[in-house]
Amino acid sequence: GQNIDQPTEMTATEGATVQINCTYQTSGFNGLFWYQQHAGEAPTFLSYNVLDGLEEKGRFSSFLSRSKGYSYLLLKELQMKDSASYLCAAMDSNYQLIWGAGTKLIIKP
Amino acid sequence: GAVVSQHPSWVICKSGTSVKIECRSLDFQATTMFWYRQFPKQSLMLMATSNEGSKATYEQGVEKDKFLINHASLTLSTLTVTSAHPEDSSFYICSARALTSGRINEQFFGPGTRLTVL
Repeated sequence: GQNIDQPTEMTATEGATVQINCTYQTSGFNGLFWYQQHAGEAPTFLSYNVLDGLEEKGRFSSFLSRSKGYSYLLLKELQMKDSASYLCAAMDSNYQLIWGAGTKLIIKP
Repeated sequence: GAVVSQHPSWVICKSGTSVKIECRSLDFQATTMFWYRQFPKQSLMLMATSNEGSKATYEQGVEKDKFLINHASLTLSTLTVTSAHPEDSSFYICSARALTSGRINEQFFGPGTRLTVL
């Protein structure tokens, strides 16, 4: 079956760095997405990885290892506004997104 | 670019009535649009995949006669919740996949529609 695993909740301190892990099992693979979702709002796109390695985009970076079925989202210099849920989604061979349950990130001052 | 709009943003209706939600891709063409439902503190649940000019593909457990989807053009898909009941109260989100080859895998999300059925 197809499955995405990510931690339910994480807590970090303002200014720190946090890594949110995601493992996936899909029928075929066409990329790994990370989305940010604030409470009551729709998800917004953060990153897309289809090749192995690290993609850096400002304070946020995303890493992919296809052989391990593993990705992480790295958030640096955390700000209070980064408090949100972070959704990991893998695209299968039919170009359908398989969604994780999301990781709620709580940031404390 | 790549903006998706939804209308209405929120709606309150009486039990037994029908509600139509529109999803539009404003600055790009989308061959495929997706309809999701999200209950509080839960992840997105894909309801159906809508392709322009053809019937929608519904996920297991989603009643196609209750959730009517029409994808009339490359920029518009509608979801009609028929005979709504309180248990249909949820956050409904659409997304659109771009037709352009450079971003063919990316889905762009609308802002969502919060439905409350009394």
